[in-house]
Amino acid sequence: EVQLVESGGGLVQPGGSLRLSCVASGFSISDFWMSWLRQAPGKGLEWVANIKQDGRKTYYVDSVKGRFTISRDNAKNSLFLQMNSLRVEDTAIYYCARGIGIYSIYFDYWGQGTLVPVSS
Amino acid sequence: EIVLTQSPATLSLSPGERATLSCRTSQSVSTSLVWYQQKPGQAPRLLIYDASNRATGIPARFSGSGSGTDFTLTISSLEPEDFATYYCQQHSLWYTFGQGTTLDLK
Repeated sequence: EVQLVESGGGLVQPGGSLRLSCVASGFSISDFWMSWLRQAPGKGLEWVANIKQDGRKTYYVDSVKGRFTISRDNAKNSLFLQMNSLRVEDTAIYYCARGIGIYSIYFDYWGQGTLVPVSS
Repeated sequence: EIVLTQSPATLSLSPGERATLSCRTSQSVSTSLVWYQQKPGQAPRLLIYDASNRATGIPARFSGSGSGTDFTLTISSLEPEDFATYYCQQHSLWYTFGQGTTLDLK
């Protein structure tokens, strides 16, 4: 059974940093693109970042470029999101997801999410 | 950025009825469109990929159609567990989501 379990969320002040982790089971992340997405409380969904299977290509939504870094450890079947210079508008539930597709990816499995409130 | 517009925002129906949800994109995405179901406190679940293909384990009462800019998710006969929020998402040019349609109990 495919499972994704996020951790590392919690209250952080504006300007602070946080590192999210996602451990996968039931499949090898080395075979897949992996992604982070987020959902502000009571709002819709937003893609945040992608990372290719070998970690050599990463992509970000404009609003987090230069502040967030996605990375992976295939040996530990784990995905990470380093978030720096956090802003109030980054407050959201952060989901890791598996990417699947031939020419472009969509997200077939999602974790349960970890909440990141950014507030003073 | 490709903008997705879902309608209606809220759909109030009863079990056994047919639900028709719409998603319109601001430019053509061919069939690079997926549908998710999300229940309160849960992660999104993939229902439909490539506009019309059911994901693994999704009941046959869910179907998707459309291409280009106009897409439809149909639930042929609502079950109690289908009352949730539904999102469409395009992956033709990066990734954007619609604002969601909430299917609630009439």
